[in-house]
Amino acid sequence: DGGITQSPKYLFRKEGQNVTLSCEQNLNHDAMYWYRQDPGQGLRLIYYSQIVNDFQKGDIAEGYSVSREKKESFPLTVTSAQKNPTAFYLCASTPTGYSSYNEQFFGPGTRLTVL
Amino acid sequence: EDQVTQSPEALRLQEGESSSLNCSYTVSGLRGLFWYRQDPGKGPEFLFTLYSAGEEKEKERLKATLTKKESFLHITAPKPEDSATYLCAVDDNYGQNFVFGPGTRLSVLP
Repeated sequence: DGGITQSPKYLFRKEGQNVTLSCEQNLNHDAMYWYRQDPGQGLRLIYYSQIVNDFQKGDIAEGYSVSREKKESFPLTVTSAQKNPTAFYLCASTPTGYSSYNEQFFGPGTRLTVL
Repeated sequence: EDQVTQSPEALRLQEGESSSLNCSYTVSGLRGLFWYRQDPGKGPEFLFTLYSAGEEKEKERLKATLTKKESFLHITAPKPEDSATYLCAVDDNYGQNFVFGPGTRLSVLP
């Protein structure tokens, strides 16, 4: 079955640690995205990548980093510089990066909690 | 700055009681308006894309409509399984700038 997988489903981090969230898709999509969701707020864009080896900052990129070495993978690292990382993190993809009318397909999410 | 607002924040309906959810947007140039359904603790599930004012799309008990400033998600004779948060999003830059609203939390009571 084609889709987007995220792991782990739950992640606990101690203050001062970096953690990496995994996102993999087998849909052959070009564009991938990372969002953060907090209670009562809409999804906020962290980073996005339209093609391999290229990515752009979203609205709230500070304290996060990404890489896009393979088309199917777009891992997100939450660094110790992110002051309030506890949130639900969602990965998404669309078929092509620079064309219109592309709905986003989402993974199941990773819930990160800072202890 | 692009903005998307949704109302009401929460809605409680009796089974079979039809209603509508609103999504109002302000964007420089709309390339698409999207509706998603999100169950607790899960990723959003795509429902509809609307491209231009006057367009309508239907799926089972749901119908989405679009004007130049807002979109409505009409729910006809809802069932308890329709309970979820419904998210609206707009794209104004060919996939480079999706903006999401905060969502409407719908509860349908049996």
